[in-house]
Amino acid sequence: GAVVSQHPSRVICKSGTSVKIECRSLDFQATTMFWYRQFPKQSLMLMATSNEGSKATYEQGVEKDKFLINHASLTLSTLTVTSAHPEDSSFYICSASPTLQDEQYFGPGTRLTVT
Amino acid sequence: GQSLEQPSEVTAVEGAIVQINCTYQTSGFYGLSWYQQHDGGAPTFLSYNGLDGLEETGRFSSFLSRSDSYGYLLLQELQMKDSASYFCAVLGGYNKLIFGAGTRLAVHP
Repeated sequence: GAVVSQHPSRVICKSGTSVKIECRSLDFQATTMFWYRQFPKQSLMLMATSNEGSKATYEQGVEKDKFLINHASLTLSTLTVTSAHPEDSSFYICSASPTLQDEQYFGPGTRLTVT
Repeated sequence: GQSLEQPSEVTAVEGAIVQINCTYQTSGFYGLSWYQQHDGGAPTFLSYNGLDGLEETGRFSSFLSRSDSYGYLLLQELQMKDSASYFCAVLGGYNKLIFGAGTRLAVHP
């Protein structure tokens, strides 16, 4: 149980375009999902907390207009990187929790390359 | 501010025991988690300490001292497949995880 999927696993896009990444909890309902970004050989940095039916809460320094997060259902959250630039190339990982008291279950990650 | 300190690299041989330390300074604290991440993969949960003391899960154990803002991950009977990055992470308010910079463990024959 407690499986989280991400789609796509890898994506290459041109600079200036937008990319959408999906995060799904497959066998549980997730009231909260988290989005992280990880640059090579660095730590996971929390970008935002996504709550079903409400606006995402962004961490300091994360541009909410650039990284659009939507949590439209209890099993799906999406992250859209708008007007992507090469510096947005990174490994994006989501996690999901059934409730705020439960552990986070991580998705397999999405590797974004912006050319 | 929030900060977690852990060694950047550790090297050991198969069969040995390794301890990865983590000290933290955070504004909110509910517990300390440890994650393993192989290159190119997602982090996988290893253990969680909400209270002081030692938690044992097979070859892995984790310890927490809240008064010292300190914890460690102990890996016993090291295997080649244990070569990976290990992250400590503080569980704060709203179920947020704040990760340390990670420790790259290299296990040699």
